[in-house]
Amino acid sequence: RKEVEQDPGPFNVPEGATVAFNCTYSNSASQSFFWYRQDCRKEPKLLMSVYSSGNEDGRFTAQLNRASQYISLLIRDSKLSDSATYLCAVNPPGTYKYIFGTGTRLKVLA
Amino acid sequence: SQTIHQWPATLVQPVGSPLSLECTVEGTSNPNLYWYRQAAGRGLQLLFYSVGIGQISSEVPQNLSASRPQDRQFILSSKKLLLSDSGFYLCAWSVLAGEQYFGPGTRLTVT
Repeated sequence: RKEVEQDPGPFNVPEGATVAFNCTYSNSASQSFFWYRQDCRKEPKLLMSVYSSGNEDGRFTAQLNRASQYISLLIRDSKLSDSATYLCAVNPPGTYKYIFGTGTRLKVLA
Repeated sequence: SQTIHQWPATLVQPVGSPLSLECTVEGTSNPNLYWYRQAAGRGLQLLFYSVGIGQISSEVPQNLSASRPQDRQFILSSKKLLLSDSGFYLCAWSVLAGEQYFGPGTRLTVT
């Protein structure tokens, strides 16, 4: 089992739709979780950290499910500009490393 | 505020030539520093990370090396490039195991 796994997609959704991605992780003791957005040929940009209590920033909501070992990202009212690849990252316990998923590609269609 | 610089933005190098990519961070002290490579259409592969000057951890054995001569400077090097070294090289920083921030990257093509 990979340390961090994501559905590569693509997820094709119409403007205004709600879409959710999951990211599973293998190390149950992991403490820190993050979502990044990466546009084509650009560097990943931090979207949000994922806290145990969840995290919301405008149209974006991130949640952590420790029992099932996954984090999720929910995007409401999708915009064309949300089209990108969304990467999750997990910090394994006792290290300063970050393990990234391979990303989920989102296409928002007009 | 913190800023991370990488240069050059693009690079085309012949097989067997040396490589030196530099990354500097401004606005923070004693950051953790990272080098990643992203092959076309692939995920991020952690190459090296450093928690302090002169401290380098290597994640993937290969013909690359890294050095941290100053607190906010991280250098990725190779003595002889291979075709398989082509990719998008990203430097990143974090404070402890907190949020990680990436530089703009260097797109390397080995011909």
